[in-house]
Amino acid sequence: GAGVSQSPSNKVTEKGKDVELRCDPISGHTALYWYRQRLGQGLEFLIYFQGNSAPDKSGLPSDRFSAERTGESVSTLTIQRTQQEDSAVYLCASSFFSGGRGEKLFFGSGTQLSVL
Amino acid sequence: GNSVTQMEGPVTLSEEAFLTINCTYTATGYPSLFWYVQYPGEGLQLLLKATKADDKGSNKGFEATYRKETTSFHLEKGSVQVSDSAVYFCALSPQAGTALIFGKGTTLSVSS
Repeated sequence: GAGVSQSPSNKVTEKGKDVELRCDPISGHTALYWYRQRLGQGLEFLIYFQGNSAPDKSGLPSDRFSAERTGESVSTLTIQRTQQEDSAVYLCASSFFSGGRGEKLFFGSGTQLSVL
Repeated sequence: GNSVTQMEGPVTLSEEAFLTINCTYTATGYPSLFWYVQYPGEGLQLLLKATKADDKGSNKGFEATYRKETTSFHLEKGSVQVSDSAVYFCALSPQAGTALIFGKGTTLSVSS
C-alpha cells in the first residue's frame, strides 16, 4: 500500500484479555518500530525490528508484551492479560534503513486500545 | 542516557504571530535531530531534520538549527497560520540503527 497500515484502528477489550495489534509497513522498508502514546504523554519506544530480528526491545514494559515480524513484512504486537494502564495509542512506523542516522520514519495512524 | 525535553504546551497564538517551540536534548556522541508534526486526525509526519551541528532544517516556513553548544534544536516560524495547529514533537536519533527518542510533544493552537 501507499503508507503504513495498522489494524484495528480501535480496540476495546476487557482487563485480562489478550490483544493482537497488526502493522503493515511500506513495502521495501527494512526497519519497523513500535511506539506507545498514552494520553497527554509523549511517544514511548517499545521495540525496533531490522528485518525480522529485534536488535532493540528495551522499551517493552513487561513480559506481557511481545512482538514479532515476518521477514521485512507485517509485524504483530501482542499484549497478554491486558491491564488498564495498557490503554494508549499504539503507533507503528517504518523506514528504509541505509545505515545513516537521518532516516525518515513513516507512521501509521495507530491503534487506539482501551482496556476496561 | 539519551533524552529530549521540549516546552510544555499548549501554545496559543494568533494568526501571523511568531512561533518558537523550545527543544533541548541530552545525548552521547553526535545525534541527528528531528521535528515531527501530528495534524488533527492524521499520523505523525516528518517536518524537518538536521544531521550535524550548525545544520539548519527547514520546511513549510518552519526552521530549526542544530546547536551543539547549547544542545538545542528550537523550532521557529515567522508567521503562523491556522493550518499550523497541530502537535509538534522534537526527536533525536542517537546513532545509526537505533530508534528515535521523542519528546512529550507541544500542542500549538492558532486562531484567526
